[in-house]
Amino acid sequence: DQQVKQNSPSLSVQEGRISILNCDYTNSMFDYFLWYKKYPAEGPTFLISISSIKDKNEDGRFTVFLNKSAKHLSLHIVPSQPGDSAVYFCAASAGLNFGNEKLTFGTGTRLTIIP
Amino acid sequence: ETGVTQTPRHLVMGMTNKKSLKCEQHLGHNAMYWYKQSAKKPLELMFVYSLEERVENNSVPSRFSPECPNSSHLFLHLHTLQPEDSALYLCASSPKPGGYGYTFGSGTRLTVV
Repeated sequence: DQQVKQNSPSLSVQEGRISILNCDYTNSMFDYFLWYKKYPAEGPTFLISISSIKDKNEDGRFTVFLNKSAKHLSLHIVPSQPGDSAVYFCAASAGLNFGNEKLTFGTGTRLTIIP
Repeated sequence: ETGVTQTPRHLVMGMTNKKSLKCEQHLGHNAMYWYKQSAKKPLELMFVYSLEERVENNSVPSRFSPECPNSSHLFLHLHTLQPEDSALYLCASSPKPGGYGYTFGSGTRLTVV
């Protein structure tokens, strides 16, 4: 049973436009959510996170939105740049404050920015 | 370089071979992890070590054997693997177990022939 789902395996966006990556989760105990970015031949790198006490977190061109009632989060990248082309993983954790829970990852979405 | 170093980057091994993957971090983190990434599947947690003690083993077959001699080093010993074990094996570390402050290595691309 996949608790974190990224239903779009790939997404293509024109340079300069907004990229929106989506993630759904099923475990209502998840209270901390992260996005990781992965280039080929490299490990995932942390991009942005959000705690369940918030519904939005912004860092430069990247904004994560959390809709707890829908168990849905999304990552917005605006404006999209060619260097944003990568695989993006959504991840979730339960009981972060206790520091003893693992991350559960989605399958990833491959984002391609078209120049 | 992220601070978590994995060697080798690529490994091809036969089903009867024994090999080891190595992970090293000098970030002062107390938790280390092994993840497996197969095509079209989520990252799968294999093992968690906290302060050199194994705290979680996600029902991984015994042909994978982890070792954590100290908080900076983590090994994954491999023996009699199957072709379906071919995958990208990622090591990660964090200040303590949990979702905060994960740093991943670049991974070892393993092919079992």
